[in-house]
Amino acid sequence: DQQVKQNSPSLSVQEGRISILNCDYTNSMFDYFLWYKKYPAEGPTFLISISSIKDKNEDGRFTVFLNKSAKHLSLHIVPSQPGDSAVYFCAAREGFQKLVFGTGTRLLVSP
Amino acid sequence: DTEVTQTPKHLVMGMTNKKSLKCEQHMGHRAMYWYKQKAKKPPELMFVYSYEKLSINESVPSRFSPECPNSSLLNLHLHALQPEDSALYLCASSQDPTGYTGELFFGEGSRLTVL
Repeated sequence: DQQVKQNSPSLSVQEGRISILNCDYTNSMFDYFLWYKKYPAEGPTFLISISSIKDKNEDGRFTVFLNKSAKHLSLHIVPSQPGDSAVYFCAAREGFQKLVFGTGTRLLVSP
Repeated sequence: DTEVTQTPKHLVMGMTNKKSLKCEQHMGHRAMYWYKQKAKKPPELMFVYSYEKLSINESVPSRFSPECPNSSLLNLHLHALQPEDSALYLCASSQDPTGYTGELFFGEGSRLTVL
């Protein structure tokens, strides 16, 4: 049973617009959440994270929002750029050293 | 050097073969990880080593045998695998040996095909 779900397998956005990637989780014990980005033929790279005691974390063009009551987090990319085209994985920390990943959302940003 | 290097990138093996996957990092990280990713599925944790000691084994079958000879190197020995073990095997390391921050540095992966 998937504890971390990314229900949209793909998302297409025009350059300059906002990209919103969504993630839902079921385990209320998760206390730390991360987003990873993956380009083809490369390993995932860490993008941004958020602790469960916060509801927002921002880093440049990337903002992650956490709604604990809804068990939902989202990644906003503003403005989107063609170089942002990649697969984005949501992940949640389950205890120390273990991350539970979602299935990923493929983002395509067109010029 | 901020890379995690995995070799080989591709491996094809029969069910009776013995092979190994290798992972190397020179960032001074003291925790290293093996993840398995099947097509259209998320990466799933297999093993974690902290300070060269096995700290997590996610009930992985014994046909997968991890080894951490030193702080820079992580191996995954493969023996008597099944076709369903075909997957992308990802190695990762973390600066924080407790994994508290969750920030992992991943290699490109080794794509394994078992015939």
